[in-house]
Amino acid sequence: GAVVSQHPSRVICKSGTSVKIECRSLDFQATTMFWYRQFPKQSLMLMATSNEGSKATYEQGVEKDKFLINHASLTLSTLTVTSAHPEDSSFYICSARVGTGGSYNEQFFGPGTRLTVL
Amino acid sequence: QKEVEQNSGPLSVPEGAIASLNCTYSDRVSQSFFWYRQYSGKSPELIMSIYSNGDKEDGRFTAQLNKASQYVSLLIRDSQPSDSATYLCAVTTGFQKLVFGTGTRLLVSP
Repeated sequence: GAVVSQHPSRVICKSGTSVKIECRSLDFQATTMFWYRQFPKQSLMLMATSNEGSKATYEQGVEKDKFLINHASLTLSTLTVTSAHPEDSSFYICSARVGTGGSYNEQFFGPGTRLTVL
Repeated sequence: QKEVEQNSGPLSVPEGAIASLNCTYSDRVSQSFFWYRQYSGKSPELIMSIYSNGDKEDGRFTAQLNKASQYVSLLIRDSQPSDSATYLCAVTTGFQKLVFGTGTRLLVSP
């Protein structure tokens, strides 16, 4: 499968600071990447769809001014959590859609970033 | 009604047995179906995709899809302790997004 990396893998920050998470496709070009959030013992919840060269599409209930997404190239998407608060503590995972035709909707996930806001 | 439903488990099977994981979905227009495996503290890993009715086999894994019943399943033959994980069923929506079930936790005992 395709390889997706994320950095950092873990971050601990103080309340009110901003945190940037990078998602990279290492061996392919991804026109579409996705950002998910997963709370303990819950499933993945889609936050936004990131399209290269255009604005991200956010899911209902996700604050676009708080979760800034930039997809400046075909291999890099970033998620910035602005003014983070303890309730933003979660496991953030990006994915990339790589297939064409019948496998178009296959998504491969990065290793995730565990954010802890104190 | 949740869009994708799975029994949370845990499903306990002895080593060498067949593990059967089930998933139902509510959106009849869904066209793509996936099974992901997620180990504790890790991100999901794609293990099977299926797009048409019937069975699809890949090594010890078999995915089964029945669109009329809106049902998809995953069989794991010769289960190993290393298969112990949470298995997530995912289904595409009409907007080409993935909707995940809450996952079934599988425990394979030696």
